[in-house]
Amino acid sequence: RKEVEQDPGPFNVPEGATVAFNCTYSNSASQSFFWYRQDCRKEPKLLMSVYSSGNEDGRFTAQLNRASQYISLLIRDSKLSDSATYLCVVSPPRGGATNKLIFGTGTLLAVQP
Amino acid sequence: EPEVTQTPSHQVTQMGQEVILRCVPISNHLYFYWYRQILGQKVEFLVSFYNNEISEKSEIFDDQFSVERPDGSNFTLKIRSTKLEDSAMYFCASSGPSGTADLYGYTFGSGTRLTVV
Repeated sequence: RKEVEQDPGPFNVPEGATVAFNCTYSNSASQSFFWYRQDCRKEPKLLMSVYSSGNEDGRFTAQLNRASQYISLLIRDSKLSDSATYLCVVSPPRGGATNKLIFGTGTLLAVQP
Repeated sequence: EPEVTQTPSHQVTQMGQEVILRCVPISNHLYFYWYRQILGQKVEFLVSFYNNEISEKSEIFDDQFSVERPDGSNFTLKIRSTKLEDSAMYFCASSGPSGTADLYGYTFGSGTRLTVV
């Protein structure tokens, strides 16, 4: 089983649509969870951290289900500028000083006018 | 907003040559990382560096690779005897005091695109 697994997409949605991405992770002891956004040939940029209680930032809502080892990202009222690859990222149990990140392959979102 | 700076943005090298990729992390950060992304593939962890030594490295980070923090600001990745399969985007990243990466993730540099010909 892959450490972090995502549907690669692409998700083609019209402007204004609501779209949801899902992600599963294999290590039940994983510590921290994030969604990153990556534009074509650019660096990953943190979109939001994901907390057990779920969290929202404007049009973006992230949820974590530790029992199912499942993370989700919901984007409401999609904008053209939301077109990007969305990376599910997990930090494994911290065995030392390192906070390394494990990336999923990403889900490509294309918002159409 | 503080940035992680990487140079060069694009490096072309011949197979078998050595390359040094350079990074200037955010000044008050303590943890430094190199990741790579082969075109069309996922971002992969290479190595982490803390307190002037490697704290963790992946299977990819073999004897061909080394890292160094030669002064108080630069963080370098050296790749000896480059191979065609080393062609990738290499990202440097840094994070603050222990625990902050859990909350805030990292700050990534804009990357160096390495092309081995």
